[in-house]
Amino acid sequence: KQEVTQIPAALSVPEGENLVLNCSFTDSAIYNLQWFRQDPGKGLTSLLLIQSSQREQTSGRLNASLDKSSGRSTLYIAASQPGDSATYLCATYNAGNMLTFGGGTRLMVKP
Amino acid sequence: KAGVTQTPRYLIKTRGQQVTLSCSPISGHRSVSWYQQTPGQGLQFLFEYFSETQRNKGNFPGRFSGRQFSNSRSEMNVSTLELGDSALYLCASSLTGSATNEKLFFGSGTQLSVL
Repeated sequence: KQEVTQIPAALSVPEGENLVLNCSFTDSAIYNLQWFRQDPGKGLTSLLLIQSSQREQTSGRLNASLDKSSGRSTLYIAASQPGDSATYLCATYNAGNMLTFGGGTRLMVKP
Repeated sequence: KAGVTQTPRYLIKTRGQQVTLSCSPISGHRSVSWYQQTPGQGLQFLFEYFSETQRNKGNFPGRFSGRQFSNSRSEMNVSTLELGDSALYLCASSLTGSATNEKLFFGSGTQLSVL
């Protein structure tokens, strides 16, 4: 059974800092790994999707990497802004057409 | 185009009652999946539907059920509600639910409180 872990659970940084969020998973037989953003009381917004055969994906100030062999992914956020404050979740897409989510990292970017 | 729409947004029920939640996917999307989110357990997969057929089911009791209609709209039902069923219920849609490069699009969720 896939297990996905995110460290740290919470992170507070000053505006402008570059930061890295970590995600680890136990079963490397994944179809893809996705990073989502969730604002309080809201649904999830897909940020980046890395297919199993890819090593990284970039969108604006966001860069996500995937290392299947070590069961790790990182989300790099450059030049953080207060609007980036949210909970970030990673999820692996496995056989069975289901996502397995990590517990999330709650990010606070202070002005 | 319109996003994933979930209704109602908030729901309050008492133990023992049943509840039905609705999800309208993005136009053209045929796969709908449901997730339960609680502070203790995080996000957990409930089930996934494609072309009116349940393809996959998570580890939840039989009190949780769902269905999908020919227009891809989906409903989930929870019978004999328990206090522990209080959660944010999210649905997500995608074109086919089986391509490795398909993103999932989530609705805003239904917040269910069981008293």
